[in-house]
Amino acid sequence: QAQLVESGGGVVQPGGSLRLSCAASGFTFSSFGMNWVRQAPGKGPEWVAFVEKDEVTKSYTDSVKGRFTISRDNSKRMLDLQMNSLRPEDTAVYYCARGRGKPPQQYFDSWGQGILVTVS
Amino acid sequence: EIVLTQSPGTLSLSPGEGATLSCGASQSVPSINLAWYQQKLGQAPRLLIYGVSTRATGIPDRFSGSGSGTDFTLTISRLEPGDVAVYYCHQYGDSPGTFGQGTKVEIK
Repeated sequence: QAQLVESGGGVVQPGGSLRLSCAASGFTFSSFGMNWVRQAPGKGPEWVAFVEKDEVTKSYTDSVKGRFTISRDNSKRMLDLQMNSLRPEDTAVYYCARGRGKPPQQYFDSWGQGILVTVS
Repeated sequence: EIVLTQSPGTLSLSPGEGATLSCGASQSVPSINLAWYQQKLGQAPRLLIYGVSTRATGIPDRFSGSGSGTDFTLTISRLEPGDVAVYYCHQYGDSPGTFGQGTKVEIK
């Protein structure tokens, strides 16, 4: 049973930085593309970033390009999201999600519990 | 990007009834790259359907998906109290992948 656990959220001022982490267990982490998906209060989910299983391919939604960086460490089974120049519109619950299907756009078959990021 | 519009916004039904949830795309979704998720209050989304009509592991056959092009449907038969949730469609055939705004299913 795949398990994903996010950490690192919190409250940050506009223009600040935050680093989210996701610890994976219960599956062969290095065999799957991984994603960050966020959900603003009362809204539908929004895909944020993808990293291929061997970290060769990365992609981002336009609104975070140049500000956010996704990375992974297969030896530690960890996925990270470095968020810089944060804006109030980045306020959301951020989910770590395992991707399936042809990358970079995938569907998500396992999700973490989510971590709240508030930019205010 | 492809915009997904879900209808109705809220569906209120009695236990045992069937629910039909619609998802319309602003342009044709490439291949069959459409998924549905269920999100209960305070929880993460849960994958129900991928590839338009393939149920995810452990999903009961009361949930079924259909459609093509720009029109997709999630059908829930024999509604149960545990089906109370918001349901989202998600296209992953075009970059960026996008989600609908959700349909809330309530039990009368």
